[in-house]
Amino acid sequence: EAQVTQNPRYLITVTGKKLTVTCSQNMNHEYMSWYRQDPGLGLRQIYYSMNVEVTDKGDVPEGYKVSRKEKRNFPLILESPSPNQTSLYFCASSLLGRQPGNSPLHFGNGTRLTVT
Amino acid sequence: GIQVEQSPPDLILQEGANSTLRCNFSDSVNNLQWFHQNPWGQLINLFYIPSGTKQNGRLSATTVATERYSLLYISSSQTTDSGVYFCAPPRKGDDKIIFGKGTRLHILP
Repeated sequence: EAQVTQNPRYLITVTGKKLTVTCSQNMNHEYMSWYRQDPGLGLRQIYYSMNVEVTDKGDVPEGYKVSRKEKRNFPLILESPSPNQTSLYFCASSLLGRQPGNSPLHFGNGTRLTVT
Repeated sequence: GIQVEQSPPDLILQEGANSTLRCNFSDSVNNLQWFHQNPWGQLINLFYIPSGTKQNGRLSATTVATERYSLLYISSSQTTDSGVYFCAPPRKGDDKIIFGKGTRLHILP
């Protein structure tokens, strides 16, 4: 089944403790992206990648890191999480790296992160 | 950049009713996507619609790019249709997908 898989679904952690949220897609998509969703602020893009070894900042990249060593995986790393990073996170992918808006965007099921 | 406005912001309907959700956008686009976020938070791609009309069961979407709007029709609403509906056109230049603020739909049993 074609899908975007995120793990974990729920995560509670403490300030400063490094964490990684994994994202994997099995559709051979070039484009992958991370979003966070907060009440009243909608979906905001954190980082995106147009292909392997190519990553770029989105609208709210501060406090996050990503890597794209393989086409299928795009982990989101929080080196030193803070309470303002408490949010609902989504990974997404689409077929065309340089034209992500020209093919359907598929989302993972989301990761609800709480930082205390 | 492109501005996306969705209306109405909130909609409450009785099960079985029909509804029309609207998405206006400020720039010309060559496609648009509609998403449904269910009450459990999952974001599902409903339609990728370059132009014209697409149908999927009780749902259909129409995009009139020349007039800069898209409509999502839901017929014979069910409680499982509840959630937030987002439209998302791509921005010119970098093709980045821009999300509207959504329409929150609540279907009463």
